[in-house]
Formats: sequence, C-alpha cells, structure tokens
Amino acid sequence: DAMVIQNPRYQVTQFGKPVTLSCSQTLNHNVMYWYQQKSSQAPKLLFHYYDKDFNNEADTPDNFQSRRPNTSFCFLDIRSPGLGDAAMYLCATSENRQPQHFGDGTRLSIL
Amino acid sequence: EDQVTQSPEALRLQEGESSSLNCSYTVSGLRGLFWYRQDPGKGPEFLFTLYSAGEEKEKERLKATLTKKESFLHITAPKPEDSATYLCAVHPTGGGNKLTFGTGTQLKVEL
Repeated sequence: DAMVIQNPRYQVTQFGKPVTLSCSQTLNHNVMYWYQQKSSQAPKLLFHYYDKDFNNEADTPDNFQSRRPNTSFCFLDIRSPGLGDAAMYLCATSENRQPQHFGDGTRLSIL
Repeated sequence: EDQVTQSPEALRLQEGESSSLNCSYTVSGLRGLFWYRQDPGKGPEFLFTLYSAGEEKEKERLKATLTKKESFLHITAPKPEDSATYLCAVHPTGGGNKLTFGTGTQLKVEL
C-alpha cells in the first residue's frame, strides 16, 4: 500500500564514510524531492528532480549528491558524512505542483 | 523572502477540548497552502490544500481555513490519536515546486 518507500529506515555510518539512501515510488509522479529534517525543525529542501532535470538548492552542501536513474527511483548520496549530517532524510513526490507525498524517512546516525 | 510562522510551538489539550493552530505566512503571491500531520519517526502525511482566502476544508475533527495572511487548523473534540506535529507549508507563485515549511505545532491530547 505504501506509495513512497524509503530504504533503509535507519542507517548508521561512520564519520567520512560515504552513504547512499534510496527512495522509490509507485505513484508515477514526475517530481521527486529530498529533504533534511532535524529534531523540532522544518523540513529543509536539499534538491529536487522535475522529470530528469536536477534542481539544487543554493545552500545545499556539495557533500550531498543525488541520482534519478528512472521515474520510480531516486538516491541521495552523502560523500563524506559529518556529525552535522545526522538527521531524518525525507523523500517526497508530486505531480507537477500538486501536494507532495512523503515517505517515512531514513534516520541517519553518524558515529 | 517567504516566511511561515506557526503558533503555538506546543499545545496540550484534554480530550474533547477544541482549539486552533495558527499558521501565519508572508509570500509575494500564494499558489497554495498545505497542512500536514507528522507522527514521531514518520514522514509528513498530507491533510489539506487551500488555494484562496475564504476557502475551508474539513476532514473528520479537523477544519482548515485560509485568509490572506494566515491559516487556522481547527480541531474539534480532539482525541488522543490526534496527537502529532502539524506542519504548515506555503507554495509561493514563482517558486517552482518549492514549499516553505513552518516548524510545526506539537499537539498532545490527553485523556
């Protein structure tokens, strides 16, 4: 029944060790988003894909990259995670400018 | 710069005690305002979209209203299962697909 699926739900990595988070959708939406959310804070948009067009937010660190190999899948790569990157990472999808639908997130911990 | 401010930050209600959550916004133009519910450790769940001042939407014990400067989420006779963080987000005109989120109101409903 889940429409936006994020894996894994919990991810632990070491300081500086690359990590990849994944998101898949069954909604066939053309837009996919990645957000970072820290405790008691608003979700912060990192970047989004409109179809294959990548849109990076100006304040997203270079350490964060993304790939969208097809409509259904999108990946978030963190090249060298620092302690400040510990957060919940949320994937969302939408059809054009319709409401965004979120997955349940991946909780990333950095050792 | 687009801004969204939610109040109160936290609200504790007794079961059956109705109340309202506020979302004040500043945008150059509003394409839509969204309300989401977020349970601990989960992604935001879409509740409502409001597009123009005077519009109202209802779902079970929740009713969302919109003016030119703010939106209210009215909760009538809340139950413990309504406990969650409620997020407001605006979609400004000219903002592409980007939403600006508030930091949310953490609602706890007690027996």
